[in-house]
This record gives sequence, structure tokens and C-alpha cells, in this order.
Amino acid sequence: GESVGLHLPTLSVQEGDNSIINCAYSNSASDYFIWYKQESGKGPQFIIDIRSNMDKRQGQRVTVLLNKTVKHLSLQIAATQPGDSAVYFCAEIDTGGFKTIFGAGTRLFVKA
Amino acid sequence: DAMVIQNPRYQVTQFGKPVTLSCSQTLNHNVMYWYQQKSSQAPKLLFHYYDKDFNNEADTPDNFQSRRPNTSFCFLDIRSPGLGDAAMYLCATGPRRDGNQPQHFGDGTRLSIL
Repeated sequence: GESVGLHLPTLSVQEGDNSIINCAYSNSASDYFIWYKQESGKGPQFIIDIRSNMDKRQGQRVTVLLNKTVKHLSLQIAATQPGDSAVYFCAEIDTGGFKTIFGAGTRLFVKA
Repeated sequence: DAMVIQNPRYQVTQFGKPVTLSCSQTLNHNVMYWYQQKSSQAPKLLFHYYDKDFNNEADTPDNFQSRRPNTSFCFLDIRSPGLGDAAMYLCATGPRRDGNQPQHFGDGTRLSIL
């Protein structure tokens, strides 16, 4: 079946460096994408989203890039901080089919 | 603040003993979701309500059921919990059924089976 997958299950970065978390998707009908952050013992929190008519969207210290040609999504975190340590999930949504698919998740470790 | 609240945060039950997890929301969202999340895995959708319309995922075991008595509350009932049902259970809400906006998650109930 179609699924969302991640290239790197674990990422370790030095505090202050930039982080890049990648996600591949395969459902060509997906037209909306979300990144969630899940800290230990908590539910997923919305970070940033992007619609399929865009290639890039920026938030505070975070940027999401969407490459529809190769079905690839990435989350960039600038100046990574210890508070960014968490598991990050991408989610792809087919708004026509009411279907949300979560990726496997990437655990980000930030070294002080 | 508007939010999604799950009670209890931790629940311990015995093998085969029915258990109910609860979720409430102050967002007045039409859609409420229940997810199961096992360690180091992505949330897995069990079912969702669009208003009172119940939608079960095809691979959700019959052991899992849900009730939504009103807009604010939703319950997850596990009729005969097995050891494999030990997991984090997440409730989420969304304003629209098509998922065209982010879901709002509670902090989950961690269920242990003795």
C-alpha cells in the first residue's frame, strides 16, 4: 500500500547547528502535508504545514520544503536548540479522500 | 486555553478486564479521532467521528469501540484488553473531515495491561 517513509530514523546534531529531517511520500493524491513534533510523554504538536501548490514555507526557525517531482518533504530547523529534541513525524493528507498517513518518525537528539 | 484533555494520563488494567479511556475538547471541533501509538512508532488511526457519524478503520480490532455522547466528549472502550493492547492512546480533534487543517492532539493515556 501507499505510505509515508523517512530516510533517517535518528538524527543527532550539535546545539546551534541546522537540522534537516527528510520524508518521502508515495500517494500522488496527497495535497496537504504537516510536520508534527512529539516530545516524550506528550501528544504530537503541529509545527508547520504546506499545501501542494507551494514549494516552500517558512515559520519561526523552521522551513518546510516540498518537492512534488520526487515526492519528497523536508523540515529544516535553524539553530537547533536542546528544546528541539523530540520525535518528528511528517503526515500526508489526501483531502479529497479524507485520509491522513503518518510517517514512521525521526528522533532528533540535540547535543549541548 | 482551548485544548484536548485526556483522562487518565496513566491507566493500568488486568488482562481481559474492560477499560474506558476518555477525551474532552473545548475547541468545538466536528471531528474526533482515536489513535493507538506503540513505542517508537507512528500513531495508528483506530477510528474517528465526524459529528455523530462513526468511521472505523478496516484493520481496527472488534475489541475496540467508541462512543461520542456529545460534541465535547469521546470515549474509547476496550472490551477485553490483551497484552498487545498496551500502548499510548491519543485523542485528536479537527475542524474539518477532509483533514485540511492540522489535528489537535491530547497528551495521551498510557495503558498498561497486567
